[in-house]
Amino acid sequence: KAGVTQTPRYLIKTRGQQVTLSCSPISGHRSVSWYQQTPGQGLQFLFEYFSETQRNKGNFPGRFSGRQFSNSRSEMNVSTLELGDSALYLCASRGAGYTDTQYFGPGTRLTVL
Amino acid sequence: DQQVKQNSPSLSVQEGRISILNCDYTNSMFDYFLWYKKYPAEGPTFLISISSIKDKNEDGRFTVFLNKSAKHLSLHIVPSQPGDSAVYFCAAISGGSQGNLIFGKGTKLSVKP
Repeated sequence: KAGVTQTPRYLIKTRGQQVTLSCSPISGHRSVSWYQQTPGQGLQFLFEYFSETQRNKGNFPGRFSGRQFSNSRSEMNVSTLELGDSALYLCASRGAGYTDTQYFGPGTRLTVL
Repeated sequence: DQQVKQNSPSLSVQEGRISILNCDYTNSMFDYFLWYKKYPAEGPTFLISISSIKDKNEDGRFTVFLNKSAKHLSLHIVPSQPGDSAVYFCAAISGGSQGNLIFGKGTKLSVKP
């Protein structure tokens, strides 16, 4: 089975712009979660989508949003970028059960100048 | 408030010896725990997991121990190999949270030849 893929791998934006990141889960996985990794805060949960519905949300501002399509592919959008949004954004997919292992993609490195 | 803590930012061991990585948690609702390994510029790779109904789980060179009364878990790697050098993240999950992983901040393991 192919693993989780994320595009693009690297992105440079300027403050105030918006960005869309894409994630394709492992075939058959209906749950997609997004995480932000920064040196100071570690890995923090953004949100989870399951069957096109947001099932769970972390403690991030409304500038961070996402969606999931019928083929389980997911996108994450960040509007009005701030310098502090510079981070590695990771997507993970798993089966339906909460103890199903989450498999991570390689991440998208976002740099905001 | 950090619910999952990895108090050692780094650990250095000699090749062939045992590596012990520790993790503490505060939320008694956590009922499933996982360890991930992460290399720079890659997503976390799943290593091993343990349910709260168990106190030990083994997979090859990796063993995870869970002490529920102390809210403590540890990952043992025996024997350690230079290829094990990476950042190791402890993560916890509860059914009540619908399954988003709560991560520790990681321990950087260096295995010296």
